[in-house]
Amino acid sequence: AQSVTQLDSQVPVFEEAPVELRCNYSSSVSVYLFWYVQYPNQGLQLLLKYLSGSTLVESINGFEAEFNKSQTSFHLRKPSVHISDTAEYFCAVTDNTGFQKLVFGTGTRLLVSP
Amino acid sequence: DAMVIQNPRYQVTQFGKPVTLSCSQTLNHNVMYWYQQKSSQAPKLLFHYYDKDFNNEADTPDNFQSRRPNTSFCFLDIRSPGLGDAAMYLCATSRDRGGKTQYFGPGTRLLVL
Repeated sequence: AQSVTQLDSQVPVFEEAPVELRCNYSSSVSVYLFWYVQYPNQGLQLLLKYLSGSTLVESINGFEAEFNKSQTSFHLRKPSVHISDTAEYFCAVTDNTGFQKLVFGTGTRLLVSP
Repeated sequence: DAMVIQNPRYQVTQFGKPVTLSCSQTLNHNVMYWYQQKSSQAPKLLFHYYDKDFNNEADTPDNFQSRRPNTSFCFLDIRSPGLGDAAMYLCATSRDRGGKTQYFGPGTRLLVL
């Protein structure tokens, strides 16, 4: 079974500053990794995913995440955040050996202030 | 061009009064999921359908049931809602199982009075 740890429940940051949201996972088999974003009172939107290939994946709105197998991490980064990035961010993992449910971390609330 | 639609967005029910939440999809995906998300918590999978095959999570209470009459629609029935069932209910779909990307609807927020 897989598990996900998001150590930071809340990350406050000023607008235009860089940010990193940390995600570590545990699994005995190969995994797929995802970052989802949730705005208040809305569903989850897929931000980016790692399935295979390049370990650095990017989203269309400037976020990127790097799969690090040796450190079992998939941290999310953005070099310059906007007020509109304020949201809850969930890291999730599933394995690629058959049906395994998507396991979510507890989420990190990103608070961007002017 | 909404792909996963949930109705209603907000639902108020009374303690013990059955309630049904609806989900539809235009993606023609094989798998549909229902998650429960309580305040400030991660989504928790309740069950999923792979085509017509129903798969219940071991810790999902019997109070929660689901129906999938066709590929496009899936319903969540709560037979006797308790105060602890107040939550956001998220529907998601994926083309197939095995780690494929899940696409989420906007959710239905359920309030139990």
